[in-house]
Amino acid sequence: SQTIHQWPATLVQPVGSPLSLECTVEGTSNPNLYWYRQAAGRGLQLLFYSVGIGQISSEVPQNLSASRPQDRQFILSSKKLLLSDSGFYLCAWSWPKDGAFFGQGTRLTVV
Amino acid sequence: DQQVKQNSPSLSVQEGRISILNCDYTNSMFDYFLWYKKYPAEGPTFLISISSIKDKNEDGRFTVFLNKSAKHLSLHIVPSQPGDSAVYFCAASGYYGGSQGNLIFGKGTKLSVKP
Repeated sequence: SQTIHQWPATLVQPVGSPLSLECTVEGTSNPNLYWYRQAAGRGLQLLFYSVGIGQISSEVPQNLSASRPQDRQFILSSKKLLLSDSGFYLCAWSWPKDGAFFGQGTRLTVV
Repeated sequence: DQQVKQNSPSLSVQEGRISILNCDYTNSMFDYFLWYKKYPAEGPTFLISISSIKDKNEDGRFTVFLNKSAKHLSLHIVPSQPGDSAVYFCAASGYYGGSQGNLIFGKGTKLSVKP
């Protein structure tokens, strides 16, 4: 069966510090991978999606970036965090049209 | 521009009664709709889905209705239980233009089921 792992679960970072959130999927190959953010009052916002290694599409311009160095690994990064980057970040995987399966999320607080 | 709208941020229902969560969409190219349930500090979990070729899909206590002409779908939970208290997200997808079938989510509706 497929599983998705996302870490860390919580993170408190100072403004201006770098960020690296990692997500890995097991039990499937060549999945579509996604990073979402849930911010207060804004629902689930798609940040990045990837249909293959090295292929990243950005949905929302911001100071975050994503990378997919391996088939089942998706990384969300920032060089310098802003206060507005605080939120609940979710990694997800899917086959097209099968819906999305989410990780447990990372609560990021930028102070 | 919100393509998927959940206009009620919250809903309170008595245990045993019906909960009805509503969702509207604007893009007629959407052809697949899903509902997700989310508890605090956890990732959303898939609940039920419906294809645009159907107008109803039922799974236990959960039924999703789709009205394509009105671009409206609803989730019915009957009977509601306290464990159903969570945030419910409506999502839509479709293959059009450069879309990869990505899910577009609404802002969510917080359901509270009171004992």
